Amino acid sequence: AQSVAQPEDQVNVAEGNPLTVKCTYSVSGNPYLFWYVQYPNRGLQFLLKYITGDNLVKGSYGFEAEFNKSQTSFHLKKPSALVSDSALYFCAVRSLTSGTYKYIFGTGTRLKVLA
Amino acid sequence: DGGITQSPKYLFRKEGQNVTLSCEQNLNHDAMYWYRQDPGQGLRLIYYSQIVNDFQKGDIAEGYSVSREKKESFPLTVTSAQKNPTAFYLCASSRARTSETYEQYFGPGTRLTVT
Repeated sequence: AQSVAQPEDQVNVAEGNPLTVKCTYSVSGNPYLFWYVQYPNRGLQFLLKYITGDNLVKGSYGFEAEFNKSQTSFHLKKPSALVSDSALYFCAVRSLTSGTYKYIFGTGTRLKVLA
Repeated sequence: DGGITQSPKYLFRKEGQNVTLSCEQNLNHDAMYWYRQDPGQGLRLIYYSQIVNDFQKGDIAEGYSVSREKKESFPLTVTSAQKNPTAFYLCASSRARTSETYEQYFGPGTRLTVT
């Protein structure tokens, strides 16, 4: 079965420090991976995706993610955190089931950036 | 929240009543999805549709029904058979060409409270 795990419910980081939000996956075949961000009482916003190519993917708002095939990980990173980055972050993988595509989401990690 | 609208933002119903949540998109996307979000559980897929007049059950379809009569519309009905309907409901859409991997666009969500 294909799955995504986000091992940390919450990550706290001081403003200006680098941040990492962890994601590991389990898929058969090539992994297609995504990161989304959710602000309170809002829908999810797309940040970045990995399809193929460079292991370091750059996305919106200064975020990037590092794909590591041997560790089956796709961690979200940012060199310098902002208070406004505080939100709920979801990792997702695209899954092919019975000829149709669907997306499997992790349980989310709440990022808190402290001023 | 892109070109996807969900209405209403907040919905209150008495137990035993069916209720329909609206989802409309103007992105010309083929695929549409309904998710349920509960605290600590991430997003769980209810139903999805790749083309008009066709849809598939997701992981938690029991007590829900959908229709896809038009490309831009994918309404979700929460029936009285759904045991615990109080949740935040998110609609999403994406392109659906199998040769490409596309991210999803999410609506702002509808918070349903059933008492």
